Amino acid sequence: DAMVIQNPRYQVTQFGKPVTLSCSQTLNHNVMYWYQQKSSQAPKLLFHYYDKDFNNEADTPDNFQSRRPNTSFCFLDIRSPGLGDAAMYLCATSRGEGGGSDTQYFGPGTRLTVL
Amino acid sequence: GQNIDQPTEMTATEGAIVQINCTYQTSGFNGLFWYQQHAGEAPTFLSYNVLDGLEEKGRFSSFLSRSKGYSYLLLKELQMKDSASYLCAVTDSNYQLIWGAGTKLIIKP
Repeated sequence: DAMVIQNPRYQVTQFGKPVTLSCSQTLNHNVMYWYQQKSSQAPKLLFHYYDKDFNNEADTPDNFQSRRPNTSFCFLDIRSPGLGDAAMYLCATSRGEGGGSDTQYFGPGTRLTVL
Repeated sequence: GQNIDQPTEMTATEGAIVQINCTYQTSGFNGLFWYQQHAGEAPTFLSYNVLDGLEEKGRFSSFLSRSKGYSYLLLKELQMKDSASYLCAVTDSNYQLIWGAGTKLIIKP
């Protein structure tokens, strides 16, 4: 089945210790997104890639970086996690064919805990 | 600024009908999505509306009024598995997706 896969599902790190979250997709979609979602809040867009074109949201902290080495994979690097970075990190993809109906499909998410 | 408003929480009874409202103020409009999100899981796509009117999909229906900046998601014959958060999201004039915080729906037997 075509899908969006995220690993790991649960990640525990220490304050200040770098962590990398990964996402892969078999949907062959052009666009990949990284969201941060805290409890009972709206998902917050961190980055998105249209193919290899990187788009950084204006208010995404410098502590967050992303890489998309090929169409199928995307990584989220948190250089020095703080307690405020504990959240669910969601990867999503969309076809990117333009128009408002470009539906985003989400992976299961990675729950990040910072100790 | 851009804003999506939904009730924080709603409670309904198994077998009943519930309507979850969403109002939006965005810079332009290119469609409105509803997603379902179970606790600790990722959002899953439910519906997309870009024209005024009602779209029916099984037990779920979604309504849009662009002139009023208003949508609702109607869930019929509620089942316990419908307990989840329901997120409204609007595509603005720049094709950015603006998300609401979601409505937590609690179903009681």
